[in-house]
Amino acid sequence: QVQLQESGPGLVKPSETLSLTCTVSGGSISSYYWSWIRQPAGKGLEWIGHIYTSGSTNYNPSLKSRVTMSVDTSKNQFSLKLSSVTAADTAVYYCARHQLGHFDYWGQGTLVTVSS
Amino acid sequence: QSALTQPASVSGSPGQSITISCTGTSSDVGSYNLVSWYQQHPGKAPKLMIYEGSKRPSGVSNRFSGSKSGNTASLTISGLQAEDEADYYCCSYAGSSTYVVFGGGTKLTVL
Repeated sequence: QVQLQESGPGLVKPSETLSLTCTVSGGSISSYYWSWIRQPAGKGLEWIGHIYTSGSTNYNPSLKSRVTMSVDTSKNQFSLKLSSVTAADTAVYYCARHQLGHFDYWGQGTLVTVSS
Repeated sequence: QSALTQPASVSGSPGQSITISCTGTSSDVGSYNLVSWYQQHPGKAPKLMIYEGSKRPSGVSNRFSGSKSGNTASLTISGLQAEDEADYYCCSYAGSSTYVVFGGGTKLTVL
């Protein structure tokens, strides 16, 4: 059974860069797309972007200028960096496996708060 | 404002059936048979319930079914049970520039 686990700081200062890592266990990270999705408290889901294990990426156009994703197949991990964060970036961040338009495995989510 | 439109809330009694709609455009729902539905209980991660419009992952009850007509997809839950009370989100592939769009979510209350 594939399992995903997000990790990273729970508190980030405004204007700084949010960095999260997702570790995949129970299966290989290779030959799949891997996504980041976020959810502000009490609100809906927002797709941030995805990365293929070759390193190719697609990002949400509304966040594209601030997002960078990377993958480390040797560690079965992929990562998210979101720059110049503001309070509007406070949310639960999920990592998920992305297949043909759907997300079949999800991490438990990690809350990231942007505050000084 | 979400790209896909869902009703904010629906409700039904145990044993009844309910349908949640998800309206998009000809650039997303209407062009691709790649709509998925997710169930989310409070404090939990979303769970895939339907993919590619009408397919159920292994382990998902056959009380859940999906369909599409034009630019609108629908999730039907039959034989409502208390455990079905949750938020439900639709999602669609939206082409190679936008890629993924979600609905705003629907809160299902089992009366």
